[in-house]
Amino acid sequence: EAQVTQNPRYLITVTGKKLTVTCSQNMNHEYMSWYRQDPGLGLRQIYYSMNVEVTDKGDVPEGYKVSRKEKRNFPLILESPSPNQTSLYFCASSFNGGAYTFFGPGTRLTVL
Amino acid sequence: QKEVEQNSGPLSVPEGAIASLNCTYSDRGSQSFFWYRQYSGKSPELIMFIYSNGDKEDGRFTAQLNKASQYVSLLIRDSQPSDSATYLCAVTPLSAGGTSYGKLTFGQGTILTVHP
Repeated sequence: EAQVTQNPRYLITVTGKKLTVTCSQNMNHEYMSWYRQDPGLGLRQIYYSMNVEVTDKGDVPEGYKVSRKEKRNFPLILESPSPNQTSLYFCASSFNGGAYTFFGPGTRLTVL
Repeated sequence: QKEVEQNSGPLSVPEGAIASLNCTYSDRGSQSFFWYRQYSGKSPELIMFIYSNGDKEDGRFTAQLNKASQYVSLLIRDSQPSDSATYLCAVTPLSAGGTSYGKLTFGQGTILTVHP
């Protein structure tokens, strides 16, 4: 089954404690992205990647890091999480960067 | 001005009616336009995309694009209670090489409720 998986699905942590949210896709897609979704603000792109070792900032990259060492994986790293990073996070992948973008199930992060 | 703006909701329509969802965008370089549906607690799923001016129909859904007015809309005919969801408009630029490089900008979403 074609899918994007994220782990963990739910995470409660404290300010400053480094965390990683993993993302993996099994569709051999070149493009992968991370989004955060907040009430009234919609989905905002954090980072995107066009291929292995090729990443670029989206609209809200501050406080986040990403890496793309393998085509299938695109982890999101919060080196020092803060309460304003409490949000619902989605990983997504696509063949051509636009149409047929598949989203993962989401990770609800709470930073205390 | 937001890059992608959707008509404020929530929008409530009776079952069987036409639901009209609107979206404007500020970047004239935008080339690809998408409508996603998101049920509560779920991830977005693509329902329509359109690249050229005019209408594109898929079942009960019609996407309309007017690049001169920087306007894209989604019409849902014969609305059903199962259409109740948040609808997200998204746009992406195209490079000279013909790819969007994955840059996708979403509107804030419009909540649609279809009541029996």
